[in-house]
Amino acid sequence: QVQLQESGPGLVKPSETLSLKCSVSGYSISSGYFWGWFRQPPGKGLEWLGNIDGSGSSYYSSSLKSRISISVDTSKNQFSLRLSSVTATDTAIYYCARDGLRATGGPPDFWGRGTLVTVSS
Amino acid sequence: VLTQSPSASASLGASVKLTCTLTRGHSTYSIAWYQQQPEKSPRYLMALGYDGGQFKGEGIPDRFSGSSSGAERYLTISSLQSEDEAVYYCQTWDTGNRIFGGGTKLTVL
Repeated sequence: QVQLQESGPGLVKPSETLSLKCSVSGYSISSGYFWGWFRQPPGKGLEWLGNIDGSGSSYYSSSLKSRISISVDTSKNQFSLRLSSVTATDTAIYYCARDGLRATGGPPDFWGRGTLVTVSS
Repeated sequence: VLTQSPSASASLGASVKLTCTLTRGHSTYSIAWYQQQPEKSPRYLMALGYDGGQFKGEGIPDRFSGSSSGAERYLTISSLQSEDEAVYYCQTWDTGNRIFGGGTKLTVL
């Protein structure tokens, strides 16, 4: 069973950088899938942020392209999110998920439980 | 790209059909359906193609089924149970992009 677990600070100050890790178990992060980050502001809908595959090829949401970076550590079976210059509008529950086959596409199927990140001074 | 009605309701034990409408330029796209119960992460229900072909997630009951007609993609839930009360999202994907509908909040009466 594929399992994902987000970790990182729950509180980030405005203008600083949000950093989260996603640890994957039950599946090798190098085995042909994209691995993605998503978020959901309180009481609102889901937003895709970006994804990466095991070789490090990544795609980002056009609305965040200047602020976002996703990296992968295959030795630890983890991938990470960095979002710079955060504001209160970045306050959300952040989810990681297995985000579709690299070769043929597809939807995110296995999701982490999510972690709430609040941007506040 | 994806349009969903904000809310729907149906009685316990009844059936309900939720709709996700693709915009004209995306009318042949496949979508996925997700269920999000309160305070939980999204649960992948199924992928649904233009031809109605579906690929369900692990452990998804037969009560959940999908169908397609033109630019519309449907999720039918039969024999409604109280735990089906949730927000249901549709989502589509392309290389380098994933888009979600606004979600339909389903109330089980």
